[in-house]
Formats: sequence, structure tokens, C-alpha cells
Amino acid sequence: DIQMTQSPSSLSASVGDRVTITCRASQSISKFLHWYQQKPGKAPKGLIYAASSLQSGVPSRFSGSGSGTDFTLTISSLQPEDFATYYCQQSYSTPPITFGGGTKVEIK
Amino acid sequence: EVQLVESGGGLVQPGGSLRLSCAASGFTFSSYDMHWVRQATGKGLEWVSAIGTAGDTYYPDSVKGRFTISRENAKNSLYLQMNSLRAGDTAVYYCARDSDGRWYFDLWGRGTLVTVSS
Repeated sequence: DIQMTQSPSSLSASVGDRVTITCRASQSISKFLHWYQQKPGKAPKGLIYAASSLQSGVPSRFSGSGSGTDFTLTISSLQPEDFATYYCQQSYSTPPITFGGGTKVEIK
Repeated sequence: EVQLVESGGGLVQPGGSLRLSCAASGFTFSSYDMHWVRQATGKGLEWVSAIGTAGDTYYPDSVKGRFTISRENAKNSLYLQMNSLRAGDTAVYYCARDSDGRWYFDLWGRGTLVTVSS
């Protein structure tokens, strides 16, 4: 199975900061990488698919990049509603689908 | 409104069975692959099963042989039959819609809690 490793596992940031989260795959997954946001007590929400395509309705301050084994999720200017946990997920080798361990973005 | 609503969770003893349901509305259910994803309290996401539009099914090794995913398009419903349940199966179970066969989930339900305990 392909292992997905996210870093950092948590970070503290202020409103307006630029935030970058990294996801690394244990082998090349081309661009079969997706990102989700989850707020406490809520279901995950899709943000970005195929490494860099923004899901409809997601603010443009979110962006994704990368291919092969290394990927990033960037929030260009952190907003209060962006404090949440973010997960990456690969769909290159399925089944199984595998997720990263998550990155919790907290208020500084 | 486009939505997924899970039901059927609860408390079950180890070795027991439970059947989860997911009611879909606001979209053409039969046209989408569907999945179940679970999350133990305070933990990350774990994919549990998938079913294609043609009824093909997929599972990770952790639940293969114990869980069965199915769908009933006439009722816009997805199901997960869970047998031989273990404490490690305790989690919130989410129903999720697959976006165009990408194995990317563009729509999620609110989840239903399954607790396996004596």
C-alpha cells in the first residue's frame, strides 16, 4: 500500500498568514492526490483534486501543487474559518485509498 | 438539496453485526461510484469500501470478508453490512460520493457512530 506522510502534524498561524502543508507519498503517484478540510465535529469537505484543481465553491486562497511524490497545499491568506485539520489522499493505486495523518491548523 | 444522510449506527457487542444505510438526494445516485470512510475518535480517515455504478465492490484488507457494501439505486440508497465486529471498528462512518470515478470524494454525509463494546 502507498503510505502518505503529512508535515507538519500541526501548526500555529495568524489570520492573514501564508500557510503551506506538505504531503509526501511513499512512491510516485503522478497527480492522483487530493486534499480535504475537516472542522471539529464535522464531516470532511473536498478542497482540491488531482493535485491542483479547485473544487467548485472553494475560495481561491486555497491552492495545490506537486506531482510524483511531493505535494503542497497552500492557503495564501489564512482566514478565521480556515482553522481546521487538513488531509491528503492518494488515488493512484486503488484499492486501497490511503490518507495522510492530517495537519491541524491552529490559531496563534 | 444535494446531500447524503447516514443512519443505522449504535452500540454493538464484539462479534456482532450492524447494517448502515446512506440516503442520497438531489443528484442522480445511480450515476456515481460510492464509498464508506471511517474515523475513530481523535484519529485520521480510513477508507472502508467502494461500490461502482455496475455493482463492482472494493475493500481494504482490514475489513475484507467481514464488511459488505451494496446499493439500491431505486431507493437512492447505499448500505454497509458489518459482521464480526471488533473494538477496532469503533468509529464514525461516513458515506461519500466519488467525483467522476477519480476516487476523490466531493460530497460527504454527516456520519453515523458505531461503537463496538461489551
